[in-house]
Amino acid sequence: EIVLTQSPGTLSLSPGERATLSCRASQSVSSRYLAWYQHKPGQAPRLLMFGVSSRATGIPDRFSGSGSGTDFTLTISKLEPEDFAVYYCQQYGTSPTWTFGQGTKVEIK
Amino acid sequence: QVQLVESGGGVVQPGGSLRLSCTASGFIFSDYCMHWVRQAPGKGLEWVALIWYDGTNKYYADSVKGRFTISRDNSKNTLFLQMNSLRAEDTAFYYCARTKAAALYYIDYWGQGSLLTVSS
Repeated sequence: EIVLTQSPGTLSLSPGERATLSCRASQSVSSRYLAWYQHKPGQAPRLLMFGVSSRATGIPDRFSGSGSGTDFTLTISKLEPEDFAVYYCQQYGTSPTWTFGQGTKVEIK
Repeated sequence: QVQLVESGGGVVQPGGSLRLSCTASGFIFSDYCMHWVRQAPGKGLEWVALIWYDGTNKYYADSVKGRFTISRDNSKNTLFLQMNSLRAEDTAFYYCARTKAAALYYIDYWGQGSLLTVSS
């Protein structure tokens, strides 16, 4: 079973700053099978990125994804107030299973 | 627009049962595979179960296998999760979510969740 480890656990930043979130897999993950989600308290999680670097419908271009193999990154180029949330990476395994990282909280500094 | 609305959560004693429902609208329900994903208090997301768009295939996380059953009624655009032999560690928000059969590797829409509390 592939384990996803996200870092840091919490990122304290100010609006306008750049956020870099890491997701490391315990084994190599196909790029097609890596996605990112945003989750705010009391709301439905929202798909941000799929296939590592493809933005979901309606996601602004300040969000970008990169990486391959075991190391993946979600970057928010300039944080807007609505971007403060918890972010999860997720990989698809062929059992099939869907595995999430433990999340990175992006909070206002 | 796409809407997924969960219902049926509540407080149940350990060993008890509960059935969650999820009503879908704004898309052709029978074209999509559907998930249940949960989030325990203070924890991250955990995938629970998936059902194929036509109900023919079902998959479960090891943590719920043999205790939970996912099902759907495409005539009523509704997804279900029957939960038996409930344990304290099943306490969580339960989200229903959809996935295209041709793109199983990501989940494109989620509901807002329904809270299950297992406590005596």
